[in-house]
Amino acid sequence: DAGVIQSPRHEVTEMGQEVTLRCKPISGHDYLFWYRQTMMRGLELLIYFNNNVPIDDSGMPEDRFSAKMPNASFSTLKIQPSEPRDSAVYFCANSASDRGTGELFFGEGSRLTVL
Amino acid sequence: AQSVTQPDIHITVSEGASLELRCNYSYGATPYLFWYVQSPGQGLQLLLKYFSGDTLVQGIKGFEAEFKRSQSSFNLRKPSVHWSDAAEYFCAVVPYGGSQGNLIFGKGTKLSVKP
Repeated sequence: DAGVIQSPRHEVTEMGQEVTLRCKPISGHDYLFWYRQTMMRGLELLIYFNNNVPIDDSGMPEDRFSAKMPNASFSTLKIQPSEPRDSAVYFCANSASDRGTGELFFGEGSRLTVL
Repeated sequence: AQSVTQPDIHITVSEGASLELRCNYSYGATPYLFWYVQSPGQGLQLLLKYFSGDTLVQGIKGFEAEFKRSQSSFNLRKPSVHWSDAAEYFCAVVPYGGSQGNLIFGKGTKLSVKP
């Protein structure tokens, strides 16, 4: 199994541009999470899906952020328009409901820099 | 308020020395407890977990953790640290009866290893 695959690994963009981060989850894992990591705030849960359905998006900072999971093989996190304060590492993580609560598998992250 | 606390932001130990990283939680009922490790430039990886039963749990890479109900603690230990253990370590909890979506991470402890 290839694990959780995220792209791009690094993104540098200018303020106001649209950013799309992508995640290919592990096959058969029915939970998908988007986290943001910064030095100041640590790891923050933005949104999570179960069986492709958004369950809790209370961590999404504002309307500029949106996430979709059109099928079990793909998810996107979009920021439009981007701002410098969105600079962070964004992680996609998966878990399977039959693997035990709290056991998450993380991708390597997408490092976003907004100038 | 419910919380998970890692009191040490940064710890430095010599290679071959023993290690203990502290984690305290504040929840009414014993939560599910986890330790994750994040190597530089990587996502988080599960080291070990505690749900119930034996209070000393073994994990990967030679790590173990002990749950102490009286102290509301779940400290991570390793008898002999290797240079490759240099990373950031996160304690995490799922409140009792919660699910993957309720996973809460501590702020992390960065471990440096001296040769």
